[in-house]
Amino acid sequence: GAVVSQHPSWVICKSGTSVKIECRSLDFQATTMFWYRQFPKQSLMLMATSNEGSKATYEQGVEKDKFLINHASLTLSTLTVTSAHPEDSSFYICSASSAGFYEQYFGPGTRLTVT
Amino acid sequence: SQQGEEDPQALSIQEGENATMNCSYKTSINNLQWYRQNSGRGLVHLILIRSNEREKHSGRLRVTLDTSKKSSSLLITASRAADTASYFCATAASGTYKYIFGTGTRLKVLA
Repeated sequence: GAVVSQHPSWVICKSGTSVKIECRSLDFQATTMFWYRQFPKQSLMLMATSNEGSKATYEQGVEKDKFLINHASLTLSTLTVTSAHPEDSSFYICSASSAGFYEQYFGPGTRLTVT
Repeated sequence: SQQGEEDPQALSIQEGENATMNCSYKTSINNLQWYRQNSGRGLVHLILIRSNEREKHSGRLRVTLDTSKKSSSLLITASRAADTASYFCATAASGTYKYIFGTGTRLKVLA
Protein backbone atom coordinates (compact mmCIF):
# COMPACT_ATOMS: atom_id res chain seq x y z
CA GLY A 1 0.00 0.00 0.00
CA ALA A 2 0.94 3.64 -0.34
CA VAL A 3 3.23 4.92 2.38
CA VAL A 4 3.52 8.44 3.70
CA SER A 5 6.23 9.42 6.13
CA GLN A 6 6.62 12.45 8.36
CA HIS A 7 9.71 13.88 9.91
CA PRO A 8 10.31 14.52 12.70
CA SER A 9 7.92 12.32 14.66
CA TRP A 10 8.17 14.67 17.61
CA VAL A 11 9.83 17.99 18.25
CA ILE A 12 10.21 20.33 21.21
CA CYS A 13 11.06 23.93 20.52
CA LYS A 14 11.24 27.19 22.38
CA SER A 15 8.64 29.89 21.98
CA GLY A 16 9.47 32.24 19.12
CA THR A 17 11.41 29.77 17.03
CA SER A 18 10.28 28.16 13.77
CA VAL A 19 9.81 24.48 13.13
CA LYS A 20 9.66 22.64 9.81
CA ILE A 21 7.76 19.37 9.38
CA GLU A 22 8.26 17.23 6.30
CA CYS A 23 5.70 14.98 4.67
CA ARG A 24 6.86 12.53 2.03
CA SER A 25 5.03 10.06 -0.18
CA LEU A 26 7.45 7.16 -0.49
CA ASP A 27 6.03 5.08 -3.29
CA PHE A 28 3.60 7.21 -5.22
CA GLN A 29 3.26 10.67 -6.65
CA ALA A 30 1.20 12.88 -4.40
CA THR A 31 -0.45 15.55 -6.49
CA THR A 32 -2.33 16.79 -3.46
CA MET A 33 -1.29 16.89 0.17
CA PHE A 34 -3.33 17.91 3.15
CA TRP A 35 -2.24 19.18 6.54
CA TYR A 36 -4.30 18.58 9.67
CA ARG A 37 -3.96 19.58 13.28
CA GLN A 38 -5.29 17.56 16.17
CA PHE A 39 -5.55 18.71 19.77
CA PRO A 40 -5.73 16.13 22.56
CA LYS A 41 -8.90 14.07 22.53
CA GLN A 42 -10.26 16.04 19.61
CA SER A 43 -10.79 15.32 15.96
CA LEU A 44 -8.59 16.29 13.05
CA MET A 45 -9.06 19.78 11.72
CA LEU A 46 -8.00 20.46 8.16
CA MET A 47 -5.55 23.34 7.99
CA ALA A 48 -4.70 23.54 4.32
CA THR A 49 -4.65 21.77 0.99
CA SER A 50 -1.63 21.95 -1.25
CA ASN A 51 -1.26 20.94 -4.85
CA GLU A 52 2.17 20.33 -6.28
CA GLY A 53 3.65 23.48 -7.74
CA SER A 54 0.96 25.86 -6.59
CA LYS A 55 0.12 27.86 -3.50
CA ALA A 56 -1.67 26.15 -0.66
CA THR A 57 -5.31 26.80 0.05
CA TYR A 58 -5.88 27.51 3.71
CA GLU A 59 -9.02 26.80 5.71
CA GLN A 60 -10.86 29.64 7.36
CA GLY A 61 -9.16 30.74 10.55
CA VAL A 62 -5.74 29.32 9.67
CA GLU A 63 -3.05 31.99 9.40
CA LYS A 64 -1.14 31.41 6.19
CA ASP A 65 1.76 33.60 7.34
CA LYS A 66 2.15 31.52 10.44
CA PHE A 67 1.79 28.09 8.86
CA LEU A 68 3.87 28.13 5.70
CA ILE A 69 3.24 25.25 3.35
CA ASN A 70 5.44 24.32 0.44
CA HIS A 71 4.69 21.51 -2.02
CA ALA A 72 7.58 21.81 -4.42
CA SER A 73 7.64 18.23 -5.66
CA LEU A 74 5.30 15.29 -6.15
CA THR A 75 6.77 13.52 -3.14
CA LEU A 76 7.41 16.25 -0.60
CA SER A 77 5.40 18.87 1.22
CA THR A 78 6.60 20.90 4.18
CA LEU A 79 4.79 22.76 6.92
CA THR A 80 6.73 25.45 8.74
CA VAL A 81 5.30 26.78 11.96
CA THR A 82 6.80 30.25 12.26
CA SER A 83 7.35 32.03 15.56
CA ALA A 84 5.81 29.13 17.42
CA HIS A 85 3.91 29.73 20.65
CA PRO A 86 2.72 27.26 23.30
CA GLU A 87 -0.79 27.31 21.83
CA ASP A 88 0.66 25.87 18.61
CA SER A 89 1.53 22.70 20.51
CA SER A 90 -0.44 19.99 18.79
CA PHE A 91 -0.30 16.82 16.73
CA TYR A 92 0.21 17.65 13.05
CA ILE A 93 -0.73 15.06 10.47
CA CYS A 94 -0.32 15.13 6.73
CA SER A 95 -2.03 13.06 4.10
CA ALA A 96 -1.44 12.58 0.42
CA SER A 97 -3.45 11.52 -2.58
CA SER A 98 -2.87 10.99 -6.27
CA ALA A 99 -4.78 12.66 -9.05
CA GLY A 100 -8.07 10.94 -9.71
CA PHE A 101 -8.03 8.86 -6.53
CA TYR A 102 -10.16 9.60 -3.49
CA GLU A 103 -8.16 7.56 -1.05
CA GLN A 104 -5.92 9.58 1.22
CA TYR A 105 -2.87 8.08 2.82
CA PHE A 106 -1.91 9.48 6.17
CA GLY A 107 1.46 10.04 7.69
CA PRO A 108 2.17 8.93 11.27
CA GLY A 109 1.97 12.48 12.59
CA THR A 110 4.36 14.91 14.27
CA ARG A 111 3.90 15.93 17.87
CA LEU A 112 4.99 19.53 18.40
CA THR A 113 5.54 20.90 21.87
CA VAL A 114 6.38 24.57 22.25
CA THR A 115 7.83 25.56 25.61
CA SER B 1 -18.91 24.20 10.96
CA GLN B 2 -18.98 21.54 8.29
CA GLN B 3 -17.60 18.95 10.63
CA GLY B 4 -19.54 15.73 10.83
CA GLU B 5 -20.72 14.36 14.10
CA GLU B 6 -20.32 10.93 15.52
CA ASP B 7 -22.10 9.18 18.28
CA PRO B 8 -21.57 7.95 20.76
CA GLN B 9 -18.60 10.07 21.77
CA ALA B 10 -17.37 7.21 23.89
CA LEU B 11 -18.25 3.54 24.03
CA SER B 12 -17.10 0.86 26.45
CA ILE B 13 -17.90 -2.79 25.77
CA GLN B 14 -16.75 -6.25 26.73
CA GLU B 15 -14.53 -8.31 24.48
CA GLY B 16 -16.62 -10.39 22.10
CA GLU B 17 -19.46 -7.89 21.92
CA ASN B 18 -20.30 -5.85 18.85
CA ALA B 19 -19.61 -2.12 18.66
CA THR B 20 -21.65 0.26 16.55
CA MET B 21 -20.66 3.82 15.80
CA ASN B 22 -22.68 6.33 13.83
CA CYS B 23 -21.63 9.27 11.71
CA SER B 24 -23.76 12.10 10.38
CA TYR B 25 -22.64 14.66 7.86
CA LYS B 26 -24.00 17.77 6.24
CA THR B 27 -23.26 17.92 2.52
CA SER B 28 -23.65 15.70 -0.53
CA ILE B 29 -20.62 13.47 -0.73
CA ASN B 30 -18.44 11.54 -3.14
CA ASN B 31 -17.59 8.95 -0.56
CA LEU B 32 -17.15 8.37 3.13
CA GLN B 33 -14.19 6.80 4.85
CA TRP B 34 -13.65 5.34 8.29
CA TYR B 35 -10.34 5.56 10.10
CA ARG B 36 -8.92 4.22 13.34
CA GLN B 37 -6.46 6.06 15.51
CA ASN B 38 -4.65 4.53 18.42
CA SER B 39 -3.78 6.95 21.18
CA GLY B 40 -1.17 9.45 20.04
CA ARG B 41 -0.61 7.71 16.74
CA GLY B 42 -1.42 8.30 13.08
CA LEU B 43 -4.54 7.24 11.27
CA VAL B 44 -5.20 3.83 9.82
CA HIS B 45 -7.59 3.64 6.89
CA LEU B 46 -10.31 1.07 7.50
CA ILE B 47 -12.81 1.27 4.69
CA LEU B 48 -14.10 3.56 1.95
CA ILE B 49 -17.71 3.49 0.84
CA ARG B 50 -18.79 5.37 -2.25
CA SER B 51 -21.96 7.41 -2.44
CA ASN B 52 -23.64 4.84 -4.69
CA GLU B 53 -22.94 1.98 -2.28
CA ARG B 54 -25.16 1.08 0.66
CA GLU B 55 -23.09 -1.47 2.51
CA LYS B 56 -19.54 -2.70 2.57
CA HIS B 57 -17.71 -5.38 4.50
CA SER B 58 -14.09 -5.87 5.40
CA GLY B 59 -13.27 -8.67 7.82
CA ARG B 60 -15.06 -7.91 11.08
CA LEU B 61 -16.08 -4.47 9.85
CA ARG B 62 -19.39 -3.60 8.30
CA VAL B 63 -20.14 -0.11 7.06
CA THR B 64 -23.50 1.17 5.90
CA LEU B 65 -24.29 4.42 4.16
CA ASP B 66 -27.65 6.15 3.90
CA THR B 67 -27.24 9.20 1.70
CA SER B 68 -30.87 10.22 2.14
CA LYS B 69 -30.26 10.58 5.88
CA LYS B 70 -26.66 11.72 5.43
CA SER B 71 -25.49 9.09 7.85
CA SER B 72 -23.20 6.10 8.07
CA SER B 73 -22.55 3.42 10.63
CA LEU B 74 -19.52 1.31 11.43
CA LEU B 75 -20.09 -2.06 13.06
CA ILE B 76 -17.21 -4.00 14.56
CA THR B 77 -18.23 -7.56 15.30
CA ALA B 78 -16.70 -9.82 17.95
CA SER B 79 -14.61 -6.99 19.31
CA ARG B 80 -11.15 -7.52 20.75
CA ALA B 81 -9.10 -5.55 23.24
CA ALA B 82 -6.86 -4.53 20.33
CA ASP B 83 -9.83 -2.69 18.78
CA THR B 84 -9.56 -0.09 21.55
CA ALA B 85 -8.97 3.17 19.69
CA SER B 86 -10.70 6.28 18.40
CA TYR B 87 -12.72 5.90 15.24
CA PHE B 88 -13.38 8.74 12.82
CA CYS B 89 -15.50 9.10 9.74
CA ALA B 90 -14.36 11.47 7.02
CA THR B 91 -16.38 12.79 4.12
CA ALA B 92 -15.46 14.51 0.89
CA ALA B 93 -18.08 16.80 -0.54
CA SER B 94 -19.15 16.11 -4.09
CA GLY B 95 -16.63 17.48 -6.54
CA THR B 96 -13.79 17.77 -4.04
CA TYR B 97 -11.00 15.68 -2.64
CA LYS B 98 -11.01 17.57 0.63
CA TYR B 99 -12.02 15.43 3.60
CA ILE B 100 -13.72 16.70 6.71
CA PHE B 101 -13.47 14.53 9.80
CA GLY B 102 -16.18 13.73 12.25
CA THR B 103 -15.84 14.30 15.97
CA GLY B 104 -14.83 10.70 16.62
CA THR B 105 -15.90 7.85 18.87
CA ARG B 106 -13.54 6.60 21.57
CA LEU B 107 -13.99 2.85 21.84
CA LYS B 108 -12.74 0.88 24.78
CA VAL B 109 -12.92 -2.91 24.66
CA LEU B 110 -12.49 -4.54 28.03
CA ALA B 111 -10.78 -7.91 28.18
